[in-house]
Amino acid sequence: QKEVEQNSGPLSVPEGAIASLNCTYSDRGSQSFFWYRQYSGKSPELIMFIYSNGDKEDGRFTAQLNKASQYVSLLIRDSQPSDSATYLCAGGDGGGSYIPTFGRGTSLIVHP
Amino acid sequence: DAGVIQSPRHEVTEMGQEVTLRCKPISGHDYLFWYRQTMMRGLELLIYFNNNVPIDDSGMPEDRFSAKMPNASFSTLKIQPSEPRDSAVYFCASSLGRSGYTFGSGTRLTVV
Repeated sequence: QKEVEQNSGPLSVPEGAIASLNCTYSDRGSQSFFWYRQYSGKSPELIMFIYSNGDKEDGRFTAQLNKASQYVSLLIRDSQPSDSATYLCAGGDGGGSYIPTFGRGTSLIVHP
Repeated sequence: DAGVIQSPRHEVTEMGQEVTLRCKPISGHDYLFWYRQTMMRGLELLIYFNNNVPIDDSGMPEDRFSAKMPNASFSTLKIQPSEPRDSAVYFCASSLGRSGYTFGSGTRLTVV
């Protein structure tokens, strides 16, 4: 059973701080990882994807992948109240079918 | 691009009735997915299609659920007969290869 685990939170950070969201996965063959943001009552929105070990930066967002430790993280710099949402981690199926497995999500609250 | 279009946005039906959810994927996308999201179980993959062909329906909970994709621009998810435990938000998503999903706005189904 392929699993992607996330702490449900909520993770509460002050405005302007760095929010660190973490995710572990069980399928060592997973090749691709995605971070989705989901506002309450809305659909998930893709914000980052990463395939290679190391860091990938996009604006205030940095995704980090460590395949040896089976660990993915998302850092949000200069957090804003508008970043308050649930963040879903998804790990790609390393078996070749590509279809990612979603974690349950971490709720992030950025307070002014 | 109008994105992934789902209808209806909300559906309230009585137990035992047939429910049909509809989805129009993004033009050119070759994958289409149906997901169900609940507080208890998170985001669950029900079925996905590649080039209109169903690839994996192992997530479909019971024979009461069926999905079709008669052409590249339309898919349906049908529940017959519906039960209260089917109440959830149903998302359709599409993608081009392994580029990450674009989700529709979802259909909130309530079975009373």
